[in-house]
Amino acid sequence: EVHLLESGGGLVPPGGSLRLSCGASGFIFSSNAMAWVRQAPGKGLEWVSGLRGAGDYTTYADSVRGRFTISRDNSRNTLYLQMNSLRADDTAIYYCASYSYTTGYLDGWGQGTLVTVSS
Amino acid sequence: QSVLTQPPSVSAAPGQKVTISCSGSSSNIGNHFVSWYQQLPGTAPKLLIYDNDNRPSGIPDRFSGSKSGTSATLGIAGLQPGDEADYYCGAWDTSLNFFVFGTGAKVTVL
Repeated sequence: EVHLLESGGGLVPPGGSLRLSCGASGFIFSSNAMAWVRQAPGKGLEWVSGLRGAGDYTTYADSVRGRFTISRDNSRNTLYLQMNSLRADDTAIYYCASYSYTTGYLDGWGQGTLVTVSS
Repeated sequence: QSVLTQPPSVSAAPGQKVTISCSGSSSNIGNHFVSWYQQLPGTAPKLLIYDNDNRPSGIPDRFSGSKSGTSATLGIAGLQPGDEADYYCGAWDTSLNFFVFGTGAKVTVL
C-alpha cells in the first residue's frame, strides 16, 4: 500500500523560501513518477509540479514555474519541493502524490502539509 | 487554473443516483484518460476512477465513470450519507503540459 508523508510546511513571510519533503513507502519509489498538488483554503485542487521516476523530466504549473523546483532522492525514497519567492497566493495545503505516468492519474496521496505565506 | 468545468454542486436523496459532468477540450479530455477523485471533508483526495472507467480495488461498484468526446461523467448510484464530499475530475493537458483538475463538485445527500 502506498504511504506518503509530507513535512516542512509552516509560516513564511512573502519573498521567503521553504522546502517541503515527502517520504514514501509501500511501493518501488524509484519507478514511480511523483507530483505535488496544492489546495488553497476553500478552493479546488491545483497541480504544482511533477517528476518522472528517474528525475529526468519535470513539469510545472505556470503559476510556480521559475520559483519552485521539484527533485527527488531515490536512495532515500524522498520527494522534495523547493519553494522560493513565496507569495500570499501560494498559501495552501501541499499534497504529495504518486503519479501513474503511462495513462495519467494520481493513485496515492499524502495527508498534506500546510504552507502559510504571511507577514 | 481549472480548465475542466464541473457543476458546483449536485444533490439527491439517499438511495438515488447522481451524475457529475466534467467538460474539457481536445487538449485534455479529448485525447487523454480521465480520472476522478473524492475528497471527504477535512481529508486528502482519494482516487476513485482511473483510465475513464476503471475502479481501484476497494472502490464500490456504485461509482462509475464514462467518457465521450471532450466530456466525462462520474456516476454515484445508491447514494449514501458517507458519499457527501467534493469530487474532482482530472486529465493531462497537452497544451499546458501538466495535469489539470476540474473545478470540483460538492455532493450533498438530502
